[in-house]
Amino acid sequence: DSGVTQTPKHLITATGQRVTLRCSPRSGDLSVYWYQQSLDQGLQFLIQYYNGEERAKGNILERFSAQQFPDLHSELNLSSLELGDSALYFCASSVGVGSVAFFGQGTRLTVV
Amino acid sequence: DQQVKQNSPSLSVQEGRISILNCDYTNSMFDYFLWYKKYPAEGPTFLISISSIKDKNEDGRFTVFLNKSAKHLSLHIVPSQPGDSAVYFCAASARGSNYKLTFGKGTLLTVNP
Repeated sequence: DSGVTQTPKHLITATGQRVTLRCSPRSGDLSVYWYQQSLDQGLQFLIQYYNGEERAKGNILERFSAQQFPDLHSELNLSSLELGDSALYFCASSVGVGSVAFFGQGTRLTVV
Repeated sequence: DQQVKQNSPSLSVQEGRISILNCDYTNSMFDYFLWYKKYPAEGPTFLISISSIKDKNEDGRFTVFLNKSAKHLSLHIVPSQPGDSAVYFCAASARGSNYKLTFGKGTLLTVNP
C-alpha cells in the first residue's frame, strides 16, 4: 500500500458526460501528480500541483481540469467525455518537487 | 517525440539468472532517473532511482547503471525471482521541468520457474 488513495476504482460513463476522479495523497506529501495510461501507451503526464498551486502541465486536454484543495487532496475533472478518454488515470504524490513519487492504484475509466 | 524509450516490449528469463532491462533517453536535461514496477490492476511501485551525478546505485538484488554519454540506463535484477514478473517502467525527470516524470512504455518481464 503506497498510502495514496484514489476513488473510485472503476467508472463507466457515457460519451458527453462529466466525471470527477479523486486523490488523497500520502500523509505529509505536498505534491500531487496526475497521469493517464491508455492502451499500449506509457504513462502520460497530465498535471502537477504543489501545496495547492499548479506547478507543471503536460498534455492535458482543455476538457480536463484539476485542482488541489487546502487539505491537499486533488480532483481531476473530465468533461465532454469521448471514447478515446477511456484509460487508467493514476494519481501520485511526493513530499516535494523532485522527491520520489508514489502512485495510487488508479481509476479505470470506461467511456461507452 | 518519445524522450524515454524502452525498446524491448518484453523479456523472459529463467529463475536465478540475471534480468537486464534497458532504457534510452534523448533529453540531455534529464538529471534524475527512476525505475517503477507495475503489476496488473495496481499502480506503479517505486523500485530504485539514480541521480545523474552517479553512474551506479544498488539496492539488494536491484542495481541501476547510468551511462550519461550514451544517454542509457539499465536495471539489473540478480537473481531473478518469479515474483519479479511485472511491467517495468523507466522514468526520467529534470529540475527545469519541476521534476515531472517522463515514462517509457514499459518492458514486461517474465521470470520462469
